[in-house]
Amino acid sequence: NAGVMQNPRHLVRRRGQEARLRCSPMKGHSHVYWYRQLPEEGLKFMVYLQKENIIDESGMPKERFSAEFPKEGPSILRIQQVVRGDSAAYFCASSFDRGHSNQPQHFGDGTRLSIL
Amino acid sequence: DQQVKQNSPSLSVQEGRISILNCDYTNSMFDYFLWYKKYPAEGPTFLISISSIKDKNEDGRFTVFLNKSAKHLSLHIVPSQPGDSAVYFCAARGMGGSARQLTFGSGTQLTVLP
Repeated sequence: NAGVMQNPRHLVRRRGQEARLRCSPMKGHSHVYWYRQLPEEGLKFMVYLQKENIIDESGMPKERFSAEFPKEGPSILRIQQVVRGDSAAYFCASSFDRGHSNQPQHFGDGTRLSIL
Repeated sequence: DQQVKQNSPSLSVQEGRISILNCDYTNSMFDYFLWYKKYPAEGPTFLISISSIKDKNEDGRFTVFLNKSAKHLSLHIVPSQPGDSAVYFCAARGMGGSARQLTFGSGTQLTVLP
Protein backbone atom coordinates (compact mmCIF):
# COMPACT_ATOMS: atom_id res chain seq x y z
CA ASN A 1 0.00 0.00 0.00
CA ALA A 2 1.64 3.18 -1.18
CA GLY A 3 -0.80 5.53 0.55
CA VAL A 4 -0.51 7.59 3.71
CA MET A 5 -0.63 5.21 6.66
CA GLN A 6 -2.01 6.26 10.02
CA ASN A 7 -2.19 4.22 13.18
CA PRO A 8 -3.96 3.43 15.27
CA ARG A 9 -7.30 3.83 13.47
CA HIS A 10 -9.10 4.15 16.77
CA LEU A 11 -7.67 5.24 20.10
CA VAL A 12 -9.47 5.45 23.42
CA ARG A 13 -7.93 7.32 26.33
CA ARG A 14 -9.07 8.44 29.75
CA ARG A 15 -8.83 12.07 30.74
CA GLY A 16 -5.29 12.93 31.79
CA GLN A 17 -3.59 10.22 29.73
CA GLU A 18 -1.34 10.76 26.73
CA ALA A 19 -2.28 10.04 23.12
CA ARG A 20 0.26 9.30 20.39
CA LEU A 21 -0.84 9.27 16.78
CA ARG A 22 1.46 8.04 14.03
CA CYS A 23 1.67 8.86 10.35
CA SER A 24 3.86 7.42 7.61
CA PRO A 25 3.73 9.57 4.47
CA MET A 26 3.45 8.29 0.93
CA LYS A 27 6.69 6.99 -0.53
CA GLY A 28 8.78 9.87 -1.82
CA HIS A 29 6.84 12.53 0.10
CA SER A 30 8.83 14.69 2.46
CA HIS A 31 6.10 17.05 3.66
CA VAL A 32 3.61 16.06 6.36
CA TYR A 33 0.53 17.90 7.58
CA TRP A 34 -1.81 17.21 10.49
CA TYR A 35 -5.48 18.23 10.51
CA ARG A 36 -8.26 17.78 13.03
CA GLN A 37 -11.94 17.30 12.25
CA LEU A 38 -14.62 17.84 14.84
CA PRO A 39 -18.12 16.38 14.24
CA GLU A 40 -20.10 18.19 11.51
CA GLU A 41 -17.15 20.42 10.65
CA GLY A 42 -14.45 20.63 8.01
CA LEU A 43 -10.84 19.76 8.60
CA LYS A 44 -8.75 22.32 10.49
CA PHE A 45 -5.02 22.66 9.92
CA MET A 46 -2.77 21.99 12.89
CA VAL A 47 0.87 21.68 11.83
CA TYR A 48 3.14 21.31 8.79
CA LEU A 49 6.45 19.47 9.06
CA GLN A 50 9.36 18.47 6.92
CA LYS A 51 11.99 15.98 8.03
CA GLU A 52 13.31 17.12 11.45
CA ASN A 53 11.70 20.56 11.07
CA ILE A 54 8.43 22.17 12.07
CA ILE A 55 7.61 24.62 9.28
CA ASP A 56 4.24 25.97 10.43
CA GLU A 57 2.49 25.18 13.70
CA SER A 58 0.05 28.07 13.62
CA GLY A 59 -2.93 25.71 14.04
CA MET A 60 -1.61 23.84 17.05
CA PRO A 61 -3.00 24.56 20.52
CA LYS A 62 -0.31 26.23 22.57
CA GLU A 63 -0.36 23.65 25.35
CA ARG A 64 -0.38 19.85 25.52
CA PHE A 65 0.05 19.32 21.76
CA SER A 66 3.33 18.61 19.99
CA ALA A 67 4.43 17.10 16.69
CA GLU A 68 7.60 15.72 15.25
CA PHE A 69 8.84 14.19 12.02
CA PRO A 70 12.18 12.55 12.78
CA LYS A 71 14.83 11.67 10.26
CA GLU A 72 13.84 8.02 10.58
CA GLY A 73 10.36 6.75 11.29
CA PRO A 74 6.86 8.16 11.15
CA SER A 75 5.57 11.56 12.11
CA ILE A 76 4.07 11.64 15.61
CA LEU A 77 1.31 13.87 16.94
CA ARG A 78 1.37 13.80 20.71
CA ILE A 79 -1.37 15.04 23.01
CA GLN A 80 -0.56 15.15 26.69
CA GLN A 81 -3.13 15.14 29.52
CA VAL A 82 -6.04 14.65 27.15
CA VAL A 83 -9.41 16.25 27.84
CA ARG A 84 -12.88 15.47 26.47
CA GLY A 85 -12.60 18.28 23.94
CA ASP A 86 -9.70 16.49 22.25
CA SER A 87 -12.13 13.84 20.95
CA ALA A 88 -11.98 14.16 17.17
CA ALA A 89 -10.70 12.57 13.99
CA TYR A 90 -7.07 13.43 13.32
CA PHE A 91 -5.92 13.24 9.73
CA CYS A 92 -2.41 13.23 8.37
CA ALA A 93 -1.58 14.26 4.81
CA SER A 94 1.60 14.25 2.80
CA SER A 95 2.76 15.90 -0.38
CA PHE A 96 5.63 15.88 -2.79
CA ASP A 97 6.93 19.37 -3.38
CA ARG A 98 9.15 20.73 -6.05
CA GLY A 99 9.77 24.36 -5.26
CA HIS A 100 6.54 26.28 -5.76
CA SER A 101 4.75 23.76 -7.96
CA ASN A 102 1.21 22.95 -6.96
CA GLN A 103 0.99 19.46 -5.56
CA PRO A 104 -2.12 18.11 -3.84
CA GLN A 105 -1.99 16.77 -0.34
CA HIS A 106 -2.93 13.10 0.02
CA PHE A 107 -4.65 12.00 3.18
CA GLY A 108 -4.59 8.93 5.38
CA ASP A 109 -7.76 7.40 6.82
CA GLY A 110 -7.32 9.15 10.13
CA THR A 111 -7.18 8.26 13.81
CA ARG A 112 -10.43 8.56 15.72
CA LEU A 113 -9.58 9.64 19.24
CA SER A 114 -12.17 9.14 21.95
CA ILE A 115 -11.68 10.49 25.46
CA LEU A 116 -13.61 8.80 28.26
CA ASP B 1 -13.95 33.59 10.56
CA GLN B 2 -14.73 31.10 7.81
CA GLN B 3 -12.47 31.84 4.87
CA VAL B 4 -13.88 28.98 2.77
CA LYS B 5 -17.62 28.45 2.76
CA GLN B 6 -19.81 25.72 1.40
CA ASN B 7 -23.30 27.03 1.98
CA SER B 8 -25.19 23.91 0.98
CA PRO B 9 -24.86 21.16 3.59
CA SER B 10 -26.56 18.67 1.29
CA LEU B 11 -27.51 18.08 -2.34
CA SER B 12 -29.56 15.32 -3.98
CA VAL B 13 -29.30 14.55 -7.68
CA GLN B 14 -30.75 11.91 -9.95
CA GLU B 15 -28.35 9.40 -11.46
CA GLY B 16 -27.14 10.51 -14.89
CA ARG B 17 -27.80 14.20 -14.21
CA ILE B 18 -25.26 16.91 -13.43
CA SER B 19 -24.18 17.61 -9.83
CA ILE B 20 -22.99 21.15 -9.11
CA LEU B 21 -21.25 21.82 -5.81
CA ASN B 22 -20.40 25.37 -4.87
CA CYS B 23 -17.75 27.02 -2.76
CA ASP B 24 -17.01 30.65 -1.87
CA TYR B 25 -13.87 32.10 -0.36
CA THR B 26 -12.94 35.43 1.15
CA ASN B 27 -9.13 35.44 1.16
CA SER B 28 -7.75 36.92 -2.07
CA MET B 29 -4.31 35.46 -1.20
CA PHE B 30 -5.51 31.92 -1.99
CA ASP B 31 -3.88 30.74 -5.21
CA TYR B 32 -4.61 27.02 -5.41
CA PHE B 33 -7.94 25.29 -4.93
CA LEU B 34 -8.79 21.63 -4.49
CA TRP B 35 -11.81 19.37 -4.21
CA TYR B 36 -11.82 16.26 -2.05
CA LYS B 37 -14.35 13.49 -1.67
CA LYS B 38 -14.82 11.75 1.66
CA TYR B 39 -16.62 8.55 2.58
CA PRO B 40 -17.49 7.80 6.24
CA ALA B 41 -14.59 6.44 8.29
CA GLU B 42 -12.11 7.20 5.51
CA GLY B 43 -9.77 10.06 4.76
CA PRO B 44 -10.45 12.70 2.10
CA THR B 45 -9.57 11.57 -1.42
CA PHE B 46 -8.16 14.15 -3.80
CA LEU B 47 -10.37 14.70 -6.86
CA ILE B 48 -9.27 17.71 -8.84
CA SER B 49 -7.51 21.04 -8.39
CA ILE B 50 -7.13 24.37 -10.10
CA SER B 51 -4.52 27.11 -9.98
CA SER B 52 -5.63 30.73 -9.71
CA ILE B 53 -4.17 31.46 -13.14
CA LYS B 54 -6.82 29.23 -14.74
CA ASP B 55 -10.59 29.40 -14.82
CA LYS B 56 -11.36 25.79 -15.70
CA ASN B 57 -9.84 22.37 -15.23
CA GLU B 58 -11.36 19.13 -16.43
CA ASP B 59 -10.63 15.51 -15.55
CA GLY B 60 -13.04 12.92 -16.89
CA ARG B 61 -16.47 13.45 -15.35
CA PHE B 62 -15.17 16.20 -13.04
CA THR B 63 -14.75 19.85 -13.98
CA VAL B 64 -13.80 22.66 -11.64
CA PHE B 65 -14.58 26.28 -12.50
CA LEU B 66 -12.94 29.25 -10.82
CA ASN B 67 -14.34 32.79 -10.87
CA LYS B 68 -11.69 34.92 -9.16
CA SER B 69 -13.61 38.17 -9.34
CA ALA B 70 -16.52 36.56 -7.50
CA LYS B 71 -14.23 34.47 -5.29
CA HIS B 72 -16.28 31.45 -6.23
CA LEU B 73 -15.52 27.96 -7.44
CA SER B 74 -17.72 25.07 -8.39
CA LEU B 75 -17.34 21.37 -9.06
CA HIS B 76 -19.41 19.81 -11.82
CA ILE B 77 -19.88 16.06 -11.97
CA VAL B 78 -21.50 14.74 -15.10
CA PRO B 79 -23.00 12.24 -15.40
CA SER B 80 -23.54 11.63 -11.69
CA GLN B 81 -23.34 8.05 -10.45
CA PRO B 82 -24.56 6.45 -7.19
CA GLY B 83 -20.91 5.82 -6.23
CA ASP B 84 -20.38 9.59 -6.20
CA SER B 85 -22.51 9.82 -3.05
CA ALA B 86 -20.13 11.21 -0.42
CA VAL B 87 -19.20 14.42 1.38
CA TYR B 88 -17.34 16.85 -0.87
CA PHE B 89 -14.91 19.35 0.60
CA CYS B 90 -13.58 22.42 -1.08
CA ALA B 91 -10.10 23.51 0.08
CA ALA B 92 -7.83 26.46 -0.63
CA ARG B 93 -4.14 27.19 -0.16
CA GLY B 94 -2.30 30.47 0.18
CA MET B 95 0.84 31.67 -1.54
CA GLY B 96 4.30 31.51 -0.06
CA GLY B 97 6.77 28.79 0.82
CA SER B 98 5.48 28.10 4.32
CA ALA B 99 1.81 28.84 3.59
CA ARG B 100 1.01 25.33 2.46
CA GLN B 101 -1.80 24.67 4.85
CA LEU B 102 -5.18 23.91 3.34
CA THR B 103 -8.26 25.76 4.55
CA PHE B 104 -11.35 23.59 4.19
CA GLY B 105 -15.01 24.33 3.82
CA SER B 106 -17.51 22.48 6.00
CA GLY B 107 -18.50 20.08 3.22
CA THR B 108 -21.54 19.21 1.14
CA GLN B 109 -23.18 15.79 1.38
CA LEU B 110 -23.99 14.67 -2.16
CA THR B 111 -26.56 11.94 -2.61
CA VAL B 112 -27.02 10.50 -6.09
CA LEU B 113 -30.33 8.71 -6.39
CA PRO B 114 -30.58 5.64 -8.65
